[in-house]
Amino acid sequence: DIQMTQSPSSLSTSVGDRVTITCRASQGISNSLAWYQQEPGKAPKLLLYDASRLESGVPSRFSGSGSGTDYTLTISSLQPEDVATYYCQQYYSTPRTFGQGTKVEIK
Amino acid sequence: EVQLVQSGAEVKKPGESLKISCTGSGNSFANHWFGWVRQMPGKGLEWMGIIYPGDTDARYSPSFQGQVTISADKSITTAYLQWSSLKASDTAIYYCATQATAPAEHFQHWGQGTLVTVSS
Repeated sequence: DIQMTQSPSSLSTSVGDRVTITCRASQGISNSLAWYQQEPGKAPKLLLYDASRLESGVPSRFSGSGSGTDYTLTISSLQPEDVATYYCQQYYSTPRTFGQGTKVEIK
Repeated sequence: EVQLVQSGAEVKKPGESLKISCTGSGNSFANHWFGWVRQMPGKGLEWMGIIYPGDTDARYSPSFQGQVTISADKSITTAYLQWSSLKASDTAIYYCATQATAPAEHFQHWGQGTLVTVSS
């Protein structure tokens, strides 16, 4: 199985700040990476796929980058509604594993 | 509008069987894989497996192989997750999701989740 390691596991920052979450795969995954947002008490929601492609309807303050084994989710200006846990997932091979999640809170 | 509607919350005793469902509507899911994801209380997301309703081809995570059965009925665009003998450790929210078309095989649409509680 491919292991996905996210960092940090949690962060607390101010509205308007730039937020960066990283995801490292245990082997190369050729940009076969998605990011999901899970607000408290809700189902996950797709934000980006293919490492950097924004899902329709997702605000442009969300962006993704990376290649090989290392990937990044960036929120350019954190908004109150962005309080959530964020997960990466590789779909390069089965089983399609998730990272352990990064909880984002407002300071 | 694409929607996945899951069956309601369940409370079961250890050793009982259970089958939960996920029905797609609003678009044709005939050519999409359905997947299941577990979220134990206070924990992260775990990929359980996927099924292609068109031919019922199913793939499982090794962690869940033999522990659950994933099935589907393409005539009603519904996928199922089934246990033959529940354990307390099966207590979790279970989400279904549809996988986008290859090569971008991420989970595009998600159901609302089904809470399964197993307690004596």
